[in-house]
Amino acid sequence: SYVLTQPPSVSVAPGQTARISCGEDNIGRKSVHWYQQRPGQAPVLVVYSDSDRPSGIPERFSGFNSGNTATLTIGRVEAGDEADYYCQVWDSGSDPVAFGGGTKLTVL
Amino acid sequence: QVQLQESGPGLVKPSETLSLTCTVSRYLISNGYYWGWIRQPPGKGLEWIGNVYHSGSSYNNPSLKSRVTISVDTSKNQFSLKLTSVTAADTAFYYCVLHRRDAHSSYYFHSWGQGLLVTVSS
Repeated sequence: SYVLTQPPSVSVAPGQTARISCGEDNIGRKSVHWYQQRPGQAPVLVVYSDSDRPSGIPERFSGFNSGNTATLTIGRVEAGDEADYYCQVWDSGSDPVAFGGGTKLTVL
Repeated sequence: QVQLQESGPGLVKPSETLSLTCTVSRYLISNGYYWGWIRQPPGKGLEWIGNVYHSGSSYNNPSLKSRVTISVDTSKNQFSLKLTSVTAADTAFYYCVLHRRDAHSSYYFHSWGQGLLVTVSS
């Protein structure tokens, strides 16, 4: 099964752009989904199928996937974006779900 | 927007069986989709446990082997998780989730319950 690698932490100033990576060999061949988990809350889907946004998710959240890296980009970062972010793929086989280890986004 | 709510005991003794129920609102399970469970030990990452279809067919994370049973009760619009022979390593927040499938047949977790902390301790 896939082993998805995320940086443990990313820091960004308010109003700037945050980029969170999710790496694995040929991840570009898979659909990647992203979740935001604010402290003490359940995860929330913010991007699915590489770059689609569920209803209610701001356009500031976008995704891209190619080659060996998928990236979640958060534009015009706000204090409320401070959270853990997880990437996820679904792979055919006996162990179909892989999550990244999570990235803690800190808004300076 | 579909809503999910976990319920069950917050404390389970070692070697006993953890039993949780997820009640679904604003959508009938019998209409389709896969429903499942994900857990998260405090301060750690996410682990998929398994899922069940409205027909009752289910699939579990092989790492949990035969300890997991996920079932559905369409008459109550609920689905359930049973995890046998629990140890301290099973202490976690347990989330019930709605699976959705994208155009590439990749499943993602569209909706989540608020989560329930289950502690395994004597």
